[in-house]
Amino acid sequence: TQLLEQSPQFLSIQEGENLTVYCNSSSVFSSLQWYRQEPGEGPVLLVTVVTGGEVKKLKRLTFQFGDARKDSSLHITAAQPGDTGLYLCAGDSWGKLQFGAGTQVVVTP
Amino acid sequence: DAGVTQSPTHLIKTRGQQVTLRCSPKSGHDTVSWYQQALGQGPQFIFQYYEEEERQRGNFPDRFSGHQFPNYSSELNVNALLLGDSALYLCASSSRGYGYTFGSGTRLTVV
Repeated sequence: TQLLEQSPQFLSIQEGENLTVYCNSSSVFSSLQWYRQEPGEGPVLLVTVVTGGEVKKLKRLTFQFGDARKDSSLHITAAQPGDTGLYLCAGDSWGKLQFGAGTQVVVTP
Repeated sequence: DAGVTQSPTHLIKTRGQQVTLRCSPKSGHDTVSWYQQALGQGPQFIFQYYEEEERQRGNFPDRFSGHQFPNYSSELNVNALLLGDSALYLCASSSRGYGYTFGSGTRLTVV
């Protein structure tokens, strides 16, 4: 059972378009993390957000943590084929990561 | 600097058998967590080891057990394998709850 709900489940866009992935939970976490996972590999940490209302930018990726620390979003500007992958959000509950089911993003040239 | 190393990368077992998966954490990390990722799902927390003790456990039966060695490496053991145990098993290391780094996983297939 996934306690974190991610939407959409699948997203297919053209290179250069923008996209937003959402992560929502009824629980409050000490921090929330975003990962990208490619086939046959483990998840790779993109960012950790800790403070409610926090916004972090990583090149073309913008991460936002909701004021109540229950929801988060990931926005990608001018997506590139290299952004293709499974995007996972995870809430940190005292060292135990609880993951959403992920959003599969496909960016076509 | 080597990241998290898991072995083997792939494994095929028969129902009822037992399996042992291994994990070497990233240099400088002292905590190892294990996750199970079924196809099309996010990883599910199995348990976490720190100072050679199980510190936290997820909702998995006692068939799943583990161990951490003095050099911080870890093993995951699964007894009486079921078809439903087929999944990607991921190991993640960290240091005091920071810097989670995942290995590439072990793909277990139970037939």
